[in-house]
Amino acid sequence: EPEVTQTPSHQVTQMGQEVILRCVPISNHLYFYWYRQILGQKVEFLVSFYNNEISEKSEIFDDQFSVERPDGSNFTLKIRSTKLEDSAMYFCASSVTETQYFGPGTRLLVL
Amino acid sequence: EDQVTQSPEALRLQEGESSSLNCSYTVSGLRGLFWYRQDPGKGPEFLFTLYSAGEEKEKERLKATLTKKESFLHITAPKPEDSATYLCAVQAPMGNNRLAFGKGNQVVVIP
Repeated sequence: EPEVTQTPSHQVTQMGQEVILRCVPISNHLYFYWYRQILGQKVEFLVSFYNNEISEKSEIFDDQFSVERPDGSNFTLKIRSTKLEDSAMYFCASSVTETQYFGPGTRLLVL
Repeated sequence: EDQVTQSPEALRLQEGESSSLNCSYTVSGLRGLFWYRQDPGKGPEFLFTLYSAGEEKEKERLKATLTKKESFLHITAPKPEDSATYLCAVQAPMGNNRLAFGKGNQVVVIP
């Protein structure tokens, strides 16, 4: 059964450093998403991506964040200058229509 | 303002003791309501999509129902492997794919 995959599973970085989180969505899906979950809190929407452009973003998704689909299979989330409060689990998801399928997540720790 | 409220926050069940989880939502123009299962440190695993009041979906020991204001996830004769956090999410009007999640119902099934 096709799955969303994410790499790395864990990443530790210093405050102010750039990080890139990678995702491979399910192959025939057209919509791609990033969500995050701070420990003990709700899953929160960051951004959705369709047809090679951002279709929607939340108030969390400020200028420090960017997304890219550099080739036919990968979907990336870049955080330019990490802050302590960016520490969270980051989930990639993809969908054909309404139902979104999530990856296993990347645990990001900013020190 | 919270669009999705889940109750109870935590629930301990004896194996075989059936129960129901509640998800109340306050979004107008509901496009879909989704139930996911999340194990610790993992990504949300899709369970059900419900689109309209009166709809029911079933999978093994789980049954999801939907009214105009809330959804229930019924767990019948649970087993220890049903222990997880169950997440409810709503998707609002057309052209807006973001999911708004509740905080989840943490279920522990004791053998």
